[in-house]
Amino acid sequence: AQTVTQSQPEMSVQEAETVTLSCTYDTSESDYYLFWYKQPPSRQMILVIRQEAYKQQNATENRFSVNFQKAAKSFSLKISDSQLGDAAMYFCAYNQGGKLIFGQGTELSVKP
Amino acid sequence: NAGVTQTPKFRVLKTGQSMTLLCAQDMNHEYMYWYRQDPGMGLRLIHYSVGEGTTAKGEVPDGYNVSRLKKQNFLLGLESAAPSQTSVYFCASTDWGRMNTEAFFGQGTRLTVV
Repeated sequence: AQTVTQSQPEMSVQEAETVTLSCTYDTSESDYYLFWYKQPPSRQMILVIRQEAYKQQNATENRFSVNFQKAAKSFSLKISDSQLGDAAMYFCAYNQGGKLIFGQGTELSVKP
Repeated sequence: NAGVTQTPKFRVLKTGQSMTLLCAQDMNHEYMYWYRQDPGMGLRLIHYSVGEGTTAKGEVPDGYNVSRLKKQNFLLGLESAAPSQTSVYFCASTDWGRMNTEAFFGQGTRLTVV
């Protein structure tokens, strides 16, 4: 069964600094997709970044980038120049064959 | 665009009562999902559907049933509610055949079973 693990329940970062959120997953498949979603206190789910497993190049979206290590089944999210608005719950997710599985989440706080 | 709409937004049930949560999407998506969100547990997949008339079990299907009679609607039923089903429930939908497409979520339903 596919599983997604986020081992950091909480993280904290100083405004303007960089933070990395960890995610590992377990699968026997070779073709799949990975995502990071952000959930602010409003409960709205917002897509941050996505990565196709067949692409070796790491995805980037402005201040957000990933470190995708396929062999290690690791998919970490780096947030650069952290802003107060980045404070939220972050979820890593895996999609294979239409089955979309989420990790436990990491709550990120940003200190001014 | 309405996107994904969940009904109701809040509900309090007594143990043993039944209810149905409705999810409606207007994006012609093939895939639809029901999740529950509990503190420290993340979003756990209850059931999902890959198209009209199809359903499949997720990670935590026990105590829930679903139906997808129309492509735009995905219903989640609780036949006999238990306090352990107190949670926030999210519905989501996404495109068929494009696995890198983002999932669109409803605003959530907060269910309390007393």
